[in-house]
Amino acid sequence: TQLLEQSPQFLSIQEGENLTVYCNSSSVFSSLQWYRQEPGEGPVLLVTVVTGGEVKKLKRLTFQFGDARKDSSLHITAAQPGDTGLYLCAGGRGGSNYKLTFGKGTLLTVNP
Amino acid sequence: EAQVTQNPRYLITVTGKKLTVTCSQNMNHEYMSWYRQDPGLGLRQIYYSMNVEVTDKGDVPEGYKVSRKEKRNFPLILESPSPNQTSLYFCASRRQAANEKLFFGSGTQLSVL
Repeated sequence: TQLLEQSPQFLSIQEGENLTVYCNSSSVFSSLQWYRQEPGEGPVLLVTVVTGGEVKKLKRLTFQFGDARKDSSLHITAAQPGDTGLYLCAGGRGGSNYKLTFGKGTLLTVNP
Repeated sequence: EAQVTQNPRYLITVTGKKLTVTCSQNMNHEYMSWYRQDPGLGLRQIYYSMNVEVTDKGDVPEGYKVSRKEKRNFPLILESPSPNQTSLYFCASRRQAANEKLFFGSGTQLSVL
């Protein structure tokens, strides 16, 4: 069962365009993290959101956690080639493991 | 520099030949975990460890073993590798508290022929 659905799976855009990536679930999460993974490397954390409705900004990236803590979005303004990569959302739940469940990712390509 | 180090980066082996992928972190993290990443399936947790001598199964533990004898090291052992274990493997660590950042290694690309 895939608890976190990411869309779109692939996205190819031109430099300067805006884009939004979605991460949806029918389950409630205690927190939602976004990672970016570049070829040949492990994922790197971009942001953690923990409160329903929370919005965080990281330069041209805006992250939002849904009010019900079941979904999240990542918006990139004026995308640049350096934004190219695999974007992964990961939902966190309580328990001894505080397990992170990862979505399958959105592969973003920004063409110059 | 804070990091998680995996070795080797690439490994080609044959069915049934035991292998170990090493993982070491220099951040004094209590929590360590192994993931495999496959096209169309995303990142799936294999095993995790909350602290020294404390390990537990993740979502896909079959065919794998781990040990945590020291805080910094968390090796992944494949006693009898099979072709369906061909994958990209990541080790990760973090502090114990919830919502903490996961630090990932650079990955080990394993091919089992």
